[in-house]
Amino acid sequence: EIVLTQSPDFQSVTPKEKVTITCRASQSIGSTLHWYQQKPNQSPKLLIKYASQSISGVPSRFTGSGSGTDFTLTINGLEAEDAATYYCHQGSSIPHAFGGGTKVEI
Amino acid sequence: QVQLVESGGGVVQPGRSLRLSCAASGFTFNNSGMHWVRQAPGKGLEWVALITYDGSIKYYADSVKGRFTISRDNSKNTLYLEMNSLRLEDTAVYYCAVGKYYFDFWGQGTLVTVSS
Repeated sequence: EIVLTQSPDFQSVTPKEKVTITCRASQSIGSTLHWYQQKPNQSPKLLIKYASQSISGVPSRFTGSGSGTDFTLTINGLEAEDAATYYCHQGSSIPHAFGGGTKVEI
Repeated sequence: QVQLVESGGGVVQPGRSLRLSCAASGFTFNNSGMHWVRQAPGKGLEWVALITYDGSIKYYADSVKGRFTISRDNSKNTLYLEMNSLRLEDTAVYYCAVGKYYFDFWGQGTLVTVSS
């Protein structure tokens, strides 16, 4: 079973700041790591798939990188609307797994 | 556009059963893998179950294996989750989501509260 460890758990930032969230897998998962954004009282939304592939409609300030066991979600030029909890997810093996989440407060 | 609408949540006593539904539209349901994902109050996301496009293969999280059953009716574009022997720790918002290796779209969720 693959375990995903996200850090930090919480980050308080100011607008226009750069935010970096990391996700570490307990074993290599290639590039099968995906990122989601969940705003308060909303369902999650896909932000990045396969570690670095962009999703139509998602602002370009959201980028992903990494492979193997170490992955990063970067938000360049944070905006107020980016206040949310961010989750990484691996779907390469059963059971699927999520990271514990990173709450970004502005 | 893609729509996933969950229903069937509510308050139920421990040990009882509940059946959730997820009505899908806006995409080719009978060609799509489907999942249930849950989120306990104030907690993170937990994957629950997966069913392949034709219903032939199903996978479950250990926490629900033997108690929950995922199924689908492609003629009705509907996904189901039959939940038996419910426990206090099953209390959560249950989301259906479409995708195989990642979740393209999510429903708005339905709240299941297990309480005596």
